[in-house]
Amino acid sequence: DSGVTQTPKHLITATGQRVTLRCSPRSGDLSVYWYQQSLDQGLQFLIQYYNGEERAKGNILERFSAQQFPDLHSELNLSSLELGDSALYFCASSVVEGAGEQFFGPGTRLTVL
Amino acid sequence: QKEVEQDPGPLSVPEGAIVSLNCTYSNSAFQYFMWYRQYSRKGPELLMYTYSSGNKEDGRFTAQVDKSSKYISLFIRDSQPSDSATYLCAMENTGGFKTIFGAGTRLFVKA
Repeated sequence: DSGVTQTPKHLITATGQRVTLRCSPRSGDLSVYWYQQSLDQGLQFLIQYYNGEERAKGNILERFSAQQFPDLHSELNLSSLELGDSALYFCASSVVEGAGEQFFGPGTRLTVL
Repeated sequence: QKEVEQDPGPLSVPEGAIVSLNCTYSNSAFQYFMWYRQYSRKGPELLMYTYSSGNKEDGRFTAQVDKSSKYISLFIRDSQPSDSATYLCAMENTGGFKTIFGAGTRLFVKA
């Protein structure tokens, strides 16, 4: 158990809908990272927050947004969902702001029908 | 060309074999190199974390980084069926906040 929690574990929804994925980092970790993992794309970095502020962006679509709250938990919002958004979404956390060891949560499996 | 290249396998070996997993990369600015293990439908688990070139050993695992060749390796000695998983290499540059992952190599260790 990495200490990173993610909810929900599974999510099934329809195209065009909006969903929110939640992540709680390990105790003491200030950085939160979001990744998308699909069969054909591998593990893709989406966005990183450090102590409430956005620090880096990867290949995150405009339909996706995230934030980190004062209690350090983070939410990833996915809107206008498409079939291609079906994937595993992982959250990771680390103590440092960058280039640190990242600890991954169990992931949220999103299925868009 | 991808920044990080990793053969997806699958790689099948008998129990007790030495396993060699490799990644190549194109960005010479990468300074931090990681190996993660991912069991099916689980989150990746950090195995090895190294800075710059050289070797690092932890139990049955040895990580090697050759920056001159832009090549990193993970060796698993005395492989066990429980080592069967996907192994992902990952890299970051100094001061960067974006981790680039390889596609992952699926490893099967047969009892």
